Amino acid sequence: SAVISQKPSRDICQRGTSLTIQCQVDSQVTMMFWYRQQPGQSLTLIATANQGSEATYESGFVIDKFPISRPNLTFSTLTVSNMSPEDSSIYLCSAIGQGEAFFGQGTRLTVV
Amino acid sequence: AQTVTQSQPEMSVQEAETVTLSCTYDTSESDYYLFWYKQPPSRQMILVIRQEAYKQQNATENRFSVNFQKAAKSFSLKISDSQLGDAAMYFCAYRYWRTNFNKFYFGSGTKLNVKP
Repeated sequence: SAVISQKPSRDICQRGTSLTIQCQVDSQVTMMFWYRQQPGQSLTLIATANQGSEATYESGFVIDKFPISRPNLTFSTLTVSNMSPEDSSIYLCSAIGQGEAFFGQGTRLTVV
Repeated sequence: AQTVTQSQPEMSVQEAETVTLSCTYDTSESDYYLFWYKQPPSRQMILVIRQEAYKQQNATENRFSVNFQKAAKSFSLKISDSQLGDAAMYFCAYRYWRTNFNKFYFGSGTKLNVKP
């Protein structure tokens, strides 16, 4: 199994600013994923992050708004740029190991 | 695109009793994985149980078992002897079998309440 450390666990940010969320995996993984989740709702995939290449974004999500870095096989960051109140949500990172998905603890973002 | 449907937004069960959460999915693939994940209020998603589609035997993990009906594309989760710690959101998920296609598709979730 893989253990994923995600930080910050929560933050309150001013609109127009940016926040970078970090995820560290305790083992090397090929693919990492970033999700957004409204409280009580399902997970919406933002993008897939592969090491050594640009992230692949899902429909409705763009790189300028959600830039992703994947500098090595154990680390990834997601930046939420130029934030607005609509970006308030829970952001989760995930990695695949042994055929199953492992998740970070999530970041609860509130934009005021 | 694959779809995963959980038709029960919320369910309640008495402590020590049994509850079944429903999940259906749509796919044209013959080989795939199915999962149930639990998300307690702490937000940490935890794998409860997994099932490979090629396996006819239903997966079990202690008090958790599934009823996998491949032809009906149904994958329900049974929780026996429910405990207060089982209270959480439960998500059904699908993943392709192909190793180079690792995207997960999640259902909308079922909130499980456990009454003492």
